[in-house]
Amino acid sequence: GENVEQHPSTLSVQEGDSAVIKCTYSDSASNYFPWYKQELGKGPQLIIDIRSNVGEKKDQRIAVTLNKTAKHFSLHITETQPEDSAVYFCAAPDSNYGGSQGNLIFGKGTKLSVKP
Amino acid sequence: DTGVSQDPRHKITKRGQNVTFRCDPISEHNRLYWYRQTLGQGPEFLTYFQNEAQLEKSRLLSDRFSAERPKGSFSTLEIQRTEQGDSAMYLCASSLLAGGHTDTQYFGPGTRLTVL
Repeated sequence: GENVEQHPSTLSVQEGDSAVIKCTYSDSASNYFPWYKQELGKGPQLIIDIRSNVGEKKDQRIAVTLNKTAKHFSLHITETQPEDSAVYFCAAPDSNYGGSQGNLIFGKGTKLSVKP
Repeated sequence: DTGVSQDPRHKITKRGQNVTFRCDPISEHNRLYWYRQTLGQGPEFLTYFQNEAQLEKSRLLSDRFSAERPKGSFSTLEIQRTEQGDSAMYLCASSLLAGGHTDTQYFGPGTRLTVL
């Protein structure tokens, strides 16, 4: 089945700097990679996702890059702001269950702190 | 607000009691997922439905857990004879499966369960 590793577990940056979070996956058949932001006491919020037919996707200050050969994908946040402070999770489809690719396997999360 | 709602938001119960949680997905979504999240970890898959059919259950899911989605709309998750180890955030997500692509999942705010 799929295994997702996420690094770093904590990340502290100054406001205005960039932040990069990296994830690796094990199943070469995986074709969909979402990123979620979770604030304290709230559910995960989808912020960006990428499918395996593209190498990069951008949405304002957020971008995701995918390297299928190396089986890793990264979240890039530019011009960070204090409101970006949260826990970020990467995920990939789970291939364990009959190939339906329904449920997701999540990384352990990265706690991002943006200092004003 | 993603449009996925969960009730209650918080539940405190004594060990051995039964509890039931409800999830209302985004109205046109045909898939509904249940995940569990413990402190410092990413969400962990429990089970999911496509319309009213329960398609998969986690191999880790205890027999004390049962879920239903009787009319293909809202879903309930029941935990019987609760144990302290059941204390966690229970998350619901919904998605629209279309065109053979891996579906994008949108999460609700979660139900925080504390078993005393």
